[in-house]
Amino acid sequence: NAGVTQTPKFQVLKTGQSMTLQCAQDMNHEYMSWYRQDPGMGLRLIHYSVGAGITDQGEVPNGYNVSRSTTEDFPLRLLSAAPSQTSVYFCASSYSFALAKNIQYFGAGTRLSVL
Amino acid sequence: QKEVEQDPGPLSVPEGAIVSLNCTYSNSAFQYFMWYRQYSRKGPELLMYTYSSGNKEDGRFTAQVDKSSKYISLFIRDSQPSDSATYLCAMSGEGRNYGGSQGNLIFGKGTKLSVKP
Repeated sequence: NAGVTQTPKFQVLKTGQSMTLQCAQDMNHEYMSWYRQDPGMGLRLIHYSVGAGITDQGEVPNGYNVSRSTTEDFPLRLLSAAPSQTSVYFCASSYSFALAKNIQYFGAGTRLSVL
Repeated sequence: QKEVEQDPGPLSVPEGAIVSLNCTYSNSAFQYFMWYRQYSRKGPELLMYTYSSGNKEDGRFTAQVDKSSKYISLFIRDSQPSDSATYLCAMSGEGRNYGGSQGNLIFGKGTKLSVKP
């Protein structure tokens, strides 16, 4: 019963490097999302997807790209990392977006530092 | 004004105390209200979920929603050291009066709770 799996758990990047944060869920959930969590800022939505092939921007999308080619996977790409992207990143999924009672299940997080 | 306001604390209480955690919100279209618990260096986990107004009880936890005051609360009875965590409120809505992305959750910043033995 894996739930939502995020890899890697920790990552250190240099400014300008690119990387992909992986997220996979095995619950056949329709909705998936990425958040970043910063001290004093709470959880802020970066991008979300309501199904395979469909993605949309959240509150803080700049500097991040996403795609959803399968129901299970929702990777988050940083094309050119900046120190402002130092944060803890959480992936979440839920059974349905359309029901608007979006009970989301979270992964354990990826701690990213950009030097 | 942020859509969801939550006092970040920290809140420190002795073991056995009753804890009250609160959030206020401004969007009257919110209909679904949740509380998540987040232990240090872990992801948030759903604790309580309520729809519209009213109370919901689950063991030592009670969630209350007062839509007329735009105020939600989480009460923890007989608090334990294992309850030490950050508690995040979250809410969402739907319908033509809801200005945000329908279904997406809006989170409070979280309240850090410490229960001392």
